[in-house]
Amino acid sequence: ETGVTQTPRHLVMGMTNKKSLKCEQHLGHNAMYWYKQSAKKPLELMFVYNFKEQTENNSVPSRFSPECPNSSHLFLHLHTLQPEDSALYLCASQKAGGPNTGELFFGEGSRLTVL
Amino acid sequence: KNEVEQSPQNLTAQEGEFITINCSYSVGISALHWLQQHPGGGIVSLFMLSSGKKKHGRLIATINIQEKHSSLHITASHPRDSAVYICAVKVIQGAQKLVFGQGTRMTINP
Repeated sequence: ETGVTQTPRHLVMGMTNKKSLKCEQHLGHNAMYWYKQSAKKPLELMFVYNFKEQTENNSVPSRFSPECPNSSHLFLHLHTLQPEDSALYLCASQKAGGPNTGELFFGEGSRLTVL
Repeated sequence: KNEVEQSPQNLTAQEGEFITINCSYSVGISALHWLQQHPGGGIVSLFMLSSGKKKHGRLIATINIQEKHSSLHITASHPRDSAVYICAVKVIQGAQKLVFGQGTRMTINP
């Protein structure tokens, strides 16, 4: 139990569906991240939010739309995805501040399958 | 070639063996993380270090900034240590971006 909760843990969706992934932390962290982990590939950063503001978008296609309504919650809205978007999506949080910021806390991940 | 390379990619050992996993990187960094990922997918942070050595229980992590190399050692390995171990570096120029290695899949047999 890391203190970062992701829902749903598993999601199957068609290419025309709209769904959302949710991440929640009550650790008092002010930086939140979305990562994508595809089979046999390293984790890839998707988005970074600091104090609810998006500070990094790692060239992610617009069919992935993040939302951070407050420092404790992070969403990833999914729309017209492709089968190659099937992956494990991991949320992480961190107490940000300064160049050598702290330990990362990851959620359990949401395993997405796009049919 | 990835900016972060881990070796070995796969590792199988017997319970009780001393394990070393290596991580080499080619960029300037401000910190290095060692992470553990279990089959269910969740990731746990083991260490964050920027110099020297850290120890937690049976785990030891070292880093040599000049050689751009870090090692994770596991003493008295146990089947429950079976997981994927991931090295990630915080790139100095890259804001909060972490660059990840491809992971080392480790299986410890009883």
